Amino acid sequence: GENVEQHPSTLSVQEGDSAVIKCTYSDSASNYFPWYKQELGKRPQLIIDIRSNVGEKKDQRIAVTLNKTAKHFSLHITETQPEDSAVYFCAVRGGGKLIFGQGTELSVKP
Amino acid sequence: DAGITQSPRYKITETGRQVTLMCHQTWSHSYMFWYRQDLGHGLRLIYYSAAADITDKGEVPDGYVVSRSKTENFPLTLESATRSQTSVYFCASRAGNVDSPLHFGNGTRLTVT
Repeated sequence: GENVEQHPSTLSVQEGDSAVIKCTYSDSASNYFPWYKQELGKRPQLIIDIRSNVGEKKDQRIAVTLNKTAKHFSLHITETQPEDSAVYFCAVRGGGKLIFGQGTELSVKP
Repeated sequence: DAGITQSPRYKITETGRQVTLMCHQTWSHSYMFWYRQDLGHGLRLIYYSAAADITDKGEVPDGYVVSRSKTENFPLTLESATRSQTSVYFCASRAGNVDSPLHFGNGTRLTVT
């Protein structure tokens, strides 16, 4: 089945710096790659997603890039703010199910 | 999102007891999912369903049973709870399009003593 690896598991940055989280996957048939943000005690919420026929997508300070050949995709957050502190999950959809990475705890220090 | 609700929010049960976690969605989404969240493991898929009366195993199905007699409900049953099943359980749903987003419930925190 699909295997999703996410790195790093923890990431600490200064406010205003950029943050990058990377995920690799195993199933080349996977076609949809979302990112979720989970604040402490809350449910995960979608922040950005990308389909397999697109290489990059941006939404204000966040962007996702996809390299289908290498089977990896990344989340980029620019000009980080303290409210960006949360756990971020990548996910991969192949068929009907969505498989998640292990999560990255991002801490933005003011 | 108010359209997907889980109950109970918190549950404490004893080893060996049967417990059922409920999930209800009002969007008529075709797909529904159960995940468990444990520190260091992220969100792991237990079972999912593509439509009423269709269910499939996820990554960690052992010890769990699901059913989907109605589109809007997807209960998860632990037939004989074990301490290793102490976790936060999230139900989620989505429409049938390939890029339709997953909507999560608020979660159920289950403790097995």
